[in-house]
Amino acid sequence: GQQVMQIPQYQHVQEGEDFTTYCNSSTTLSNIQWYKQRPGGHPVFLIQLVKSGEVKKQKRLTFQFGEAKKNSSLHITATQTTDVGTYFCKNDMRFGAGTRLTVKP
Amino acid sequence: GAVVSQHPSRVICKSGTSVKIECRSLDFQATTMFWYRQFPKQSLMLMATSNEGSKATYEQGVEKDKFLINHASLTLSTLTVTSAHPEDSSFYICSASPLGTDTQYFGPGTRLTVL
Repeated sequence: GQQVMQIPQYQHVQEGEDFTTYCNSSTTLSNIQWYKQRPGGHPVFLIQLVKSGEVKKQKRLTFQFGEAKKNSSLHITATQTTDVGTYFCKNDMRFGAGTRLTVKP
Repeated sequence: GAVVSQHPSRVICKSGTSVKIECRSLDFQATTMFWYRQFPKQSLMLMATSNEGSKATYEQGVEKDKFLINHASLTLSTLTVTSAHPEDSSFYICSASPLGTDTQYFGPGTRLTVL
């Protein structure tokens, strides 16, 4: 099946800094989902994007779906230590490689 | 709502034994459940799609005779790792989608260690 490429693999930020992870596909995606996995935990569903150019917000998290539906991003404003974890994008049943976020207090 | 349980959460077994992992959707029905495998610091890799009342669909490279999947009801799927070997040690996670939705809800995972 088609793959989504996710970057960066790791991101270390100072608390209060912003963070962004990107997912890209060479083909048009029907939808994209975002999950968060805390260390030692399981993936937790965050959001699903379906429409071209869609932007959704959840408090400090902003999710975007590209106009061509080939890329998506998750942006966290003013990170907190509770944001630590790995963020995965997913299309159908396929996960991106994930971006591991660490936050220094 | 949308809670998925998985049992056991952790298992240690000897090489050559079989281990059964249960995945249950507690408050919804799911015609389809998914089994993933995750190695440390890596992404989740889909192993198979479990369909209630029919045979599972396995991903390329996943041995169906080694990883037996049974989806006995709309709320229960089991994964049996047969004749486990140390290389089968991993984190196994199931997920389920409520009827009519694409959203997957994940179980807490089972950490398998084969000695």
